[in-house]
Amino acid sequence: NAGVTQTPKFRVLKTGQSMTLLCAQDMNHEYMYWYRQDPGMGLRLIHYSVGEGTTAKGEVPDGYNVSRLKKQNFLLGLESAAPSQTSVYFCASSLRVSGANVLTFGAGSRLTVL
Amino acid sequence: KNQVEQSPQSLIILEGKNCTLQCNYTVSPFSNLRWYKQDTGRGPVSLTIMTFSENTKSNGRYTATLDADTKQSSLHITASQLSDSASYICVVSARGSQGNLIFGKGTKLSVKP
Repeated sequence: NAGVTQTPKFRVLKTGQSMTLLCAQDMNHEYMYWYRQDPGMGLRLIHYSVGEGTTAKGEVPDGYNVSRLKKQNFLLGLESAAPSQTSVYFCASSLRVSGANVLTFGAGSRLTVL
Repeated sequence: KNQVEQSPQSLIILEGKNCTLQCNYTVSPFSNLRWYKQDTGRGPVSLTIMTFSENTKSNGRYTATLDADTKQSSLHITASQLSDSASYICVVSARGSQGNLIFGKGTKLSVKP
């Protein structure tokens, strides 16, 4: 019963490098989300997807791109990493986006940009 | 502006004691309010979800209350255990806000033996 799995768990990048965070869920959830969590701040939504092949911008989308080619996977890409993108990234999924739906979160991916 | 404010920022209690965490919000139009528990180094885990018509909801030793008129919620933890040490996050959803939940900054609870 894996739930939401994020890879990698830790990564250190140099400014300007690119990387992709992978999120996989095995619950057949329609909706998937990428959040970032910074010290002293609440989780902020980067991008989300309401179904396979769809993506939408959240609160802080600049500097990130996403893709949802398969229902179970949601990829977050950084094309040119900046120190401001040092953060802990959480992926989440849910059956639906409206109403009292429960979000299931992954364990997080800690990214450091030097 | 939609906001969720939590208090206190941090709290230390002795094992076995009770505690109450507070959440005030200005989200409108309101849809539902959730409490999540986040252990250090882990993702948040849902404790309760309450809609407009619900005043209280329990999950074991956790009891959440909601006053939609004053836009306040509380999370009461009874007979605390060491494993309750975590951050507790209040999250509010606005009606029609596809994909966007407003997260509080959390209350960091430490339960000491």
